[in-house]
Amino acid sequence: DGGITQSPKYLFRKEGQNVTLSCEQNLNHDAMYWYRQDPGQGLRLIYYSQIVNDFQKGDIAEGYSVSREKKESFPLTVTSAQKNPTAFYLCASGWTIENSPLHFGNGTRLTVT
Amino acid sequence: AQTVTQSQPEMSVQEAETVTLSCTYDTSESDYYLFWYKQPPSRQMILVIRQEAYKQQNATENRFSVNFQKAAKSFSLKISDSQLGDAAMYFCAYRRPNGNKLVFGAGTILRVKS
Repeated sequence: DGGITQSPKYLFRKEGQNVTLSCEQNLNHDAMYWYRQDPGQGLRLIYYSQIVNDFQKGDIAEGYSVSREKKESFPLTVTSAQKNPTAFYLCASGWTIENSPLHFGNGTRLTVT
Repeated sequence: AQTVTQSQPEMSVQEAETVTLSCTYDTSESDYYLFWYKQPPSRQMILVIRQEAYKQQNATENRFSVNFQKAAKSFSLKISDSQLGDAAMYFCAYRRPNGNKLVFGAGTILRVKS
């Protein structure tokens, strides 16, 4: 079945440690996205990528980094510079045509203590 | 920058009745795309319905329909014959032409009473 896989579902880290969230898609989509979801704030865009080896900052990129070495994969690293990393993280992919909806993974809940 | 506003943090509806969720947006573009997504307790984001701004006809998907008022920049979602499975967080989203991202509202929690 085609889809987007995020792993792990729950992740716990100590403050000061970097952590990488995995996102893989087999939908052959060109574009991939990372969103952060906090209560009462909806989804906010962290980074996105339209093609391999290229990505752009979203609205809240500080403290995060990404790579896009393969079309299928778009990992997100939450660095120690991110001041409030505890959140729910959603990965999405889609076509670059304008009315194309995004397809989402099941998310990763990151807790940093 | 485009913004999307959902003014109802929570709504409740009786099973089998109709409910309308509000969404307004701010843009200077004349052509754009609007979406409603549903996020049930599983937290999986599911596309409910989409609307192209250049189309005057309101989109409909089974029990879900929209009231798109372009001049008022309003995009409300109507759910008819509400079912228990409709209980979820609903997000309105905007995408501009040649845009590479969706801008989301803060969401509305919908509770369905049996």
